[in-house]
Amino acid sequence: AQSVSQHNHHVILSEAASLELGCNYSYGGTVNLFWYVQYPGQHLQLLLKYFSGDPLVKGIKGFEAEFIKSKFSFNLRKPSVQWSDTAEYFCAVNGNNAGNMLTFGGGTRLMVKP
Amino acid sequence: ETGVTQSPTHLIKTRGQQVTLRCSSQSGHNTVSWYQQALGQGPQFIFQYYREEENGRGNFPPRFSGLQFPNYSSELNVNALELDDSALYLCASSYDMGRSGELFFGEGSRLTVL
Repeated sequence: AQSVSQHNHHVILSEAASLELGCNYSYGGTVNLFWYVQYPGQHLQLLLKYFSGDPLVKGIKGFEAEFIKSKFSFNLRKPSVQWSDTAEYFCAVNGNNAGNMLTFGGGTRLMVKP
Repeated sequence: ETGVTQSPTHLIKTRGQQVTLRCSSQSGHNTVSWYQQALGQGPQFIFQYYREEENGRGNFPPRFSGLQFPNYSSELNVNALELDDSALYLCASSYDMGRSGELFFGEGSRLTVL
């Protein structure tokens, strides 16, 4: 069975600090990887995704993530966070042709202090 | 472009009752999936519907059932409610089983079982 682990449940940063959120997955096959974000009072929305190709993917709002196959990891990064990045971040995975069947991690709640 | 809408937003039921949650998918989307998000956890996949047929199911008992209608809207039904069914229920839609990799989520229906 596939699983996703997000090791940081809560992260507090000051504005302009760098961010890295960890994500490790367990899955016996080719995977697609995602980061979703939920801003306060809003619905979940896609931040970025990896299907194949360049393992460094860039998403919206300056976020990027790197797929390291040997480490089963897909960490999310941002060089300089802003107060508006305060949100909950979810890593997710599915197998090829799995459609909407995502397996999510438990989420990381990020608070950015102005 | 109309987003994913869910109803009701909040509801309270007692143990043993039945509940129906509704979802209108985003315009042009033919795939709907349902997720359960318990407090402090990531969303868990319940099932997905593609062109009115169930097309994938997570680890949920048969008392969780669903429907998709010709207009691609969907219902989630839960019978014999248990206290552990208290959660946020999320609906997500996509086109052609999410092959683009992006799900569009509604804001959820928060169910409390007493």
